[in-house]
Parts: sequence; structure tokens; C-alpha cells
Amino acid sequence: GAVVSQHPSWVICKSGTSVKIECRSLDFQATTMFWYRQFPKQSLMLMATSNEGSKATYEQGVEKDKFLINHASLTLSTLTVTSAHPEDSSFYICSARRGGLAGGPGHPGELFFGEGSRLTVL
Amino acid sequence: GNSVTQMEGPVTLSEEAFLTINCTYTATGYPSLFWYVQYPGEGLQLLLKATKADDKGSNKGFEATYRKETTSFHLEKGSVQVSDSAVYFCALSDRNNAGNMLTFGGGTRLMVKP
Repeated sequence: GAVVSQHPSWVICKSGTSVKIECRSLDFQATTMFWYRQFPKQSLMLMATSNEGSKATYEQGVEKDKFLINHASLTLSTLTVTSAHPEDSSFYICSARRGGLAGGPGHPGELFFGEGSRLTVL
Repeated sequence: GNSVTQMEGPVTLSEEAFLTINCTYTATGYPSLFWYVQYPGEGLQLLLKATKADDKGSNKGFEATYRKETTSFHLEKGSVQVSDSAVYFCALSDRNNAGNMLTFGGGTRLMVKP
């Protein structure tokens, strides 16, 4: 089964509303999570790095006030798209880097990806 | 900066055909190289990786060799199956980049017909 889970897997919302996407690491504690955006027929673009207990680090060109990231615990990071517009429609994917406790799947530092969340803004 | 370039798809093959998906990279440091696979409706999964020059990563019949001289990491499989139909992403991680962030190529869709 999946070790990183995203919810919701798809969401449709009206323009101007806010949408929250959750990313959970199920089998390990993740000190660092990453949020990516995937445009149709294009690759994943890193949006931000989410660190537990501290502010996220955003990539150049990504609006911090538009894409709010909260990494409140070692197993949960959330991405909130505020005042969504049609151009925000995209596929958002998170990844988590295992760190901390021994055991669990893979090797320390290995990245695990969520299933992705497709956002459609009408 | 770092970048990854891979061949555009879709690549359409018949079952049991030989597969090659080209990938070349540009990096400032000494990157680790990865191939990820994304099956329909699923997230990315690590397929294989190589961490230094001349290393060969292999998994599920897929192979890729880290070629520093040609800055390439081409993905190959001798005999593809319908179940291999997916999107394949080449990626690199620069060791000089704290946080283990990945730079992805554009992805190549593989379609295998029975």
C-alpha cells in the first residue's frame, strides 16, 4: 500500500474559494515534505519545501500568500490554494522524505510520493 | 542550474519490444540520477537509481547506466509488457543541494500494445 497519501484525490471548486490538500506519511515520520505542481504534458515543478515546525521554503515565482503550506506534525503537511482561479487548475503532488525513526520502508532520506490531487477551478 | 531533458512521447511499442527512453542532464555538482514511473491514477514510484558514474540501476527488468562522459541516464528494457504502460520521469538530485530536492525531466509516456 501507499506510504504517502494525499487527500482529496480530486476536487472541483468555484473561482475565489480556497482549497486545502493534505499530504500524510503513513508509515514513517517525515521531517521534510515537498509540494510539486504538474501541468498537462509537462514535468513536475517544485513549488516549495515544507519543514516540520518551521516556515516553508518557496521556489522562485511561487506566491507564498497564494499557496499556504503548513507542516504541523511529522506526518502531515497541507497545501491551501487561496482564492483559487482557473489558472490554478493543475495536478498537485507531494513527496515526503523519511527521517528520524529507524525502521520503516526504504532507506533514510528516500523520497515517497503521494497519489496526487487534481484541482479544477471553475 | 540543474536540468533534465528526456525524449518526448508518447512512445508506442508492441509487447516484447525493446525499450529505450533517452535522458540527459545538466548539473553543477555530482548528482544522483533516478527514474520514476507513474502508473495511471497513481503517484510517482521510484523505479531505479544510480548515485555515481558508471553505476547501473536496475529493477523489474529496467536498467539505466550513469554515464558521466555523455551526461546521460538512458532507460532500457529488453522486452516490455502491457503492464509497463505508464509515464516515466528521469530526475536528478544534486548532492550539493541540501534537502534532497529533485529536478525532473518532462516525462515520457509509454504505451505498450498487446
